[in-house]
Amino acid sequence: EAQVTQNPRYLITVTGKKLTVTCSQNMNHEYMSWYRQDPGLGLRQIYYSMNVEVTDKGDVPEGYKVSRKEKRNFPLILESPSPNQTSLYFCASSTGVKNIQYFGAGTRLSVL
Amino acid sequence: GQSLEQPSEVTAVEGAIVQINCTYQTSGFYGLSWYQQHDGGAPTFLSYNGLDGLEETGRFSSFLSRSDSYGYLLLQELQMKDSASYFCAVKSQAGTALIFGKGTTLSVSS
Repeated sequence: EAQVTQNPRYLITVTGKKLTVTCSQNMNHEYMSWYRQDPGLGLRQIYYSMNVEVTDKGDVPEGYKVSRKEKRNFPLILESPSPNQTSLYFCASSTGVKNIQYFGAGTRLSVL
Repeated sequence: GQSLEQPSEVTAVEGAIVQINCTYQTSGFYGLSWYQQHDGGAPTFLSYNGLDGLEETGRFSSFLSRSDSYGYLLLQELQMKDSASYFCAVKSQAGTALIFGKGTTLSVSS
């Protein structure tokens, strides 16, 4: 089954404790992206990747890191999480002219 | 800056027709997409317009006018299950992630 898998689905952590949210896709898509979703603000792009070893900042990259060492994986790293990073995070992969985004199920992160 | 504007809320009754508008202001334009998101779920793709005109997919249609930087999503024969948030999104540059609007919450009542 074609899918984008994010882990964990839920995470509660404390300020400053490094964490990684994993994302994996099995559709051989070139493009992968991370978004955060906050009430009233919609989906905002954090980082995206056009292919292996090619990443670029989106609209809200501060406090986040990504890497794309393999085509299927695109982890999101929070080196020192802060409470303002409490949010719902979505990973997505896409391909083709229409750039249809296939989203993972989401990761709900709370930073205390 | 780049922005997409859409109404925050729309209400309708079962069986009705509703139109959700989206106006965009972006540095480039490579197509307008629509996504649906139910509470607690992930956004899912509904429709795409790369050229001007109407695209129809079952009960849903989407329209684009590039000269007006405007598009809309038309939902016909509304059902309770259509209650969800709807997002328009623009691909402003080749090879980049999408820019999303803030979403329109559609509530369908019986």
